Amino acid sequence: NAGVTQTPKFRILKIGQSMTLQCAQDMNHNYMYWYRQDPGMGLKLIYYSVGAGITDKGEVPNGYNVSRSTTEDFPLRLELAAPSQTSVYFCASGPPGGGGEKLFFGSGTQLSVL
Amino acid sequence: RKEVEQDPGPFNVPEGATVAFNCTYSNSASQSFFWYRQDCRKEPKLLMSVYSSGNEDGRFTAQLNRASQYISLLIRDSKLSDSATYLCGYSNFGNEKLTFGTGTRLTIIP
Repeated sequence: NAGVTQTPKFRILKIGQSMTLQCAQDMNHNYMYWYRQDPGMGLKLIYYSVGAGITDKGEVPNGYNVSRSTTEDFPLRLELAAPSQTSVYFCASGPPGGGGEKLFFGSGTQLSVL
Repeated sequence: RKEVEQDPGPFNVPEGATVAFNCTYSNSASQSFFWYRQDCRKEPKLLMSVYSSGNEDGRFTAQLNRASQYISLLIRDSKLSDSATYLCGYSNFGNEKLTFGTGTRLTIIP
């Protein structure tokens, strides 16, 4: 079982560049999330989605965009990369009503903006 | 006040000892609580949920104190393999935003 797959695993961007972090899940989960984790810090919610066509802002959405055209995919877009966006990004998915008990995380994308 | 607060540690504990740490939350409407474990450079994974009646799984015990708004995690007979960062979190019924604390780093010393 693939679970939650994130690509790429590592990426270095120059200031002002754009990129899309990919996230796909094969568990037919309705809920998907994007978190960022700075060194020594916890997880901060960027965006989340409760189903295809529905997205909502989390705690730190500025500088990011998302879309949810299918149940399986939830890409995260950085339009103008800034050094403050250097972080590890985790995508997660879960079934409706599962809350934190049934959350599955991808292995993360380590992004550096120089 | 932060929604969820944890002592970041590090907690350096000798092997075989018992260690406990708490996590306080500010939203009294929070309904579902949990502990996640995160190994270095890895994704978080669910350790255990926290119920009002307490929850025990082997050497691990999680408890919820609604009156004082905190959850706790107790690890007995600690093993070297318990070294990790422990993240607490909560979600509210009807709101699928899952909020995590900053994590507590635990190192078990041989």
